[in-house]
Amino acid sequence: AQSVTQLGSHVSVSEGALVLLRCNYSSSVPPYLFWYVQYPNQGLQLLLKYTTGATLVKGINGFEAEFKKSETSFHLTKPSAHMSDAAEYFCAVSGDNTDKLIFGTGTRLQVFP
Amino acid sequence: DAGITQSPRHKVTETGTPVTLRCHQTENHRYMYWYRQDPGHGLRLIHYSYGVKDTDKGEVSDGYSVSRSKTEDFLLTLESATSSQTSVYFCAISSSSYEQYFGPGTRLTVT
Repeated sequence: AQSVTQLGSHVSVSEGALVLLRCNYSSSVPPYLFWYVQYPNQGLQLLLKYTTGATLVKGINGFEAEFKKSETSFHLTKPSAHMSDAAEYFCAVSGDNTDKLIFGTGTRLQVFP
Repeated sequence: DAGITQSPRHKVTETGTPVTLRCHQTENHRYMYWYRQDPGHGLRLIHYSYGVKDTDKGEVSDGYSVSRSKTEDFLLTLESATSSQTSVYFCAISSSSYEQYFGPGTRLTVT
């Protein structure tokens, strides 16, 4: 069965610092992987996705993620944090049943000035 | 933004009362989903639909039922609300590319 583990429920960085949010997955089939962002009192918004092809995926707001099959990881990075990046981030993997997603428990990113 | 609305956006109800939440889409997407979001649990799938009148259970379906009589509407019903169903409920839609688009959420409080 598919599963997702997000390491660290809270991550704090200074403005301008590197952002690294970790996601490891388990999948019995080639996975589709996603990162979503949730701002306070809003729904989830798709940041980026990996389906097939290039393993380094670029998303909105300067975020990117790299699919590493050997490490079963899909970590999210951004070179320089901005105050507006403060939000909760969810990693998700496609289930073994078409069109179902399995979500991680989320990582709350705080950005300090 | 995907055309998804949820109603009501906020609701307070008493234990034992029935509650229905509505999700409406204007995208004509085939798949629709209901999730609940609770601290420390992320999003958990309650029920989903893969077409009109075609629905299936998710991982936390006990105490919930759904109906989809039209492509654009997906209803979630709590037959007899309990305090453990206090949560934020999200609807999502998908075509066939796996990525899902989320509504703004409904905050439900059961007293």
